Amino acid sequence: AQSVTQLGSHVSVSEGALVLLRCNYSSSVPPYLFWYVQYPNQGLQLLLKYTSAATLVKGINGFEAEFKKSETSFHLTKPSAHMSDAAEYFCAVNSFKAAGNKLTFGGGTRVLVKP
Amino acid sequence: EAGVTQFPSHSVIEKGQTVTLRCDPISGHDNLYWYRRVMGKEIKFLLHFVKESKQDESGMPNNRFLAERTGGTYSTLKVQPAELEDSGVYFCASSQGDSVRETQYFGPGTRLLVL
Repeated sequence: AQSVTQLGSHVSVSEGALVLLRCNYSSSVPPYLFWYVQYPNQGLQLLLKYTSAATLVKGINGFEAEFKKSETSFHLTKPSAHMSDAAEYFCAVNSFKAAGNKLTFGGGTRVLVKP
Repeated sequence: EAGVTQFPSHSVIEKGQTVTLRCDPISGHDNLYWYRRVMGKEIKFLLHFVKESKQDESGMPNNRFLAERTGGTYSTLKVQPAELEDSGVYFCASSQGDSVRETQYFGPGTRLLVL
């Protein structure tokens, strides 16, 4: 079985400060990991994904995430927050196809950016 | 290229009524998924179509939910009769292939409120 835990349902950061969103996964087989973002009144948009190539993955809008197998983590970071980063962020895992092709999501982290 | 579209964007119905949600995937995507987010909870998988066939419907909550994908194009999700606990946001996603590393592209969701 696969599962995802996102630490912190709400995060508040100042504009220009580091954004760090935590994601830990559980999977009995090598995982494929995804970060999605949902802006207000919009659908989920892929930020980046890890598919067993480079462990440091760069995504859109200046975000990146690092896959750490020893820590079962895939934390999302951005060096400098912008007001437009205010949104809800979801970490998700997909793994061995025999278990079905389905994303398992964390609970989401809502980011507030303060001026 | 048009993204995944969903209709309606919002639906408010009374308990016991029937509601049908529609999803149009990205053109050429054989794989179509339905997910649901109940208030305050994680986004959860409902089912997966490959063309017109149900590949995995392990996430369907009960037999009040019926999903179809006639002709392998658009899909409908019918809830009959609706109950209060069915309220939430229903997301549709599509992908070109069915590899677990494939990106699933999400629609904006249908917000369903059952009164």
